[in-house]
Order: sequence, then structure tokens, then C-alpha cells
Amino acid sequence: NAGVTQTPKFRILKIGQSMTLQCAQDMNHNYMYWYRQDPGMGLKLIYYSVGAGITDKGEVPNGYNVSRSTTEDFPLRLELAAPSQTSVYFCASSYEGTANLEQYFGPGTRLTVT
Amino acid sequence: GENVEQHPSTLSVQEGDSAVIKCTYSDSASNYFPWYKQELGKGPQLIIDIRSNVGEKKDQRIAVTLNKTAKHFSLHITETQPEDSAVYFCAASITSNTGKLIFGQGTTLQVKP
Repeated sequence: NAGVTQTPKFRILKIGQSMTLQCAQDMNHNYMYWYRQDPGMGLKLIYYSVGAGITDKGEVPNGYNVSRSTTEDFPLRLELAAPSQTSVYFCASSYEGTANLEQYFGPGTRLTVT
Repeated sequence: GENVEQHPSTLSVQEGDSAVIKCTYSDSASNYFPWYKQELGKGPQLIIDIRSNVGEKKDQRIAVTLNKTAKHFSLHITETQPEDSAVYFCAASITSNTGKLIFGQGTTLQVKP
């Protein structure tokens, strides 16, 4: 299993540009999450999904959009990129239910907006 | 909503010493408390977790303790080794709430050989 994969690894955007961060998992997990990590701030939840076709906002959703058309994929869309969106973005997935709550993280995408 | 505070932000210890990282949470409904380790350039990885019906859990050199009354939990690493150097995050969650985690700010642990 590849686990959780993210592309690209690095990206530089100009202010006002848009892009999609890709996330895929091959563990058949129903739950998927997007976090951003800023220095000294921990990880903040942007959006999450409990299954195909179902998404919901996390702590910091403004400026982002998501979709979940399949169990495997959970892309994060940035429209009108702003310097405040410079961060490292992590995608994660987990099993449904309460028996195993571990979240499996991808390697991250480092995004710079200038 | 839930808020998790983590201290200290940085911790430096000599190899072989113990390290302790502490977290407090605000929502008494939280019942699941994982700890994640993040090595440089990688995503976080779960190292140990505890549920609210347990006061302490151990796994070799690492242990977690939970005080529900005081709403705080701690990570203890004994006999530290250079490979323990990383950023450690605590988190809190309500297990019925879609698995959403609220993370602390992180602790950078440096183990000096």
C-alpha cells in the first residue's frame, strides 16, 4: 500500500492564482481530512469528509474548497491565493468508527504565495 | 469549541534523560487523546493514544497519563535517544464526532548525544 499520497510536494503561487492540491489514499478509508501547519501553530483542520459526496468545514475553511467524488481522492482547491495561505498542507485519512481512530498522514505539500 | 494548549514549545535533554510534554484541553466531552510525532520533512505519525476510561498507558519507553478532572494529559519519554528528536503534537477529540482532532501547538524535542 502507498498509504496517503500528496502532490505536488512544493509549489510557488502568485497572489490571485488558483491551484488544486491532490490527495489520494489506497486504504479504503471513509474519513479524510485536510490540515494546514503554520510554524508554532500546530495543525489546523481546514475541511474533512466522512465519505464520498460528503464534506464539511473544519476550523479554518475560508479561502478553500474541497470535493469528494470517490473514496480514494480528496482534492483541496485554493481560489485567489493570498500570502496568508503560505503554509504546509497535510492530508490524512482514517477508518470509520471508534475502534481505530489513528489518522494516517501524507508527506505534505509546501505552498508559498508571493 | 475545543482548545488544546501544549507546553513547552521546545525541550532539550541529554541522551538517556526523561522528557515530559504536557497538554491541557477545554472541552470536558473530549474522550480521545492521541500523540503524534513529526520528523523533519514528514507527516505526523501516531505514537500512542489514550481514551478517557484509562488513566495511563505505556508502550516501551513512552507513556501517556490522563487526568480527566484537571483536563490535562502528558507524554513521558524515558531513556531518550537521538532518534527521539522530532516535533511532538498532542490532540483531543470526541470519538463520536467524525474523528476530528484539535491539535496542540507542538513541542520540538532535541536529544543531545
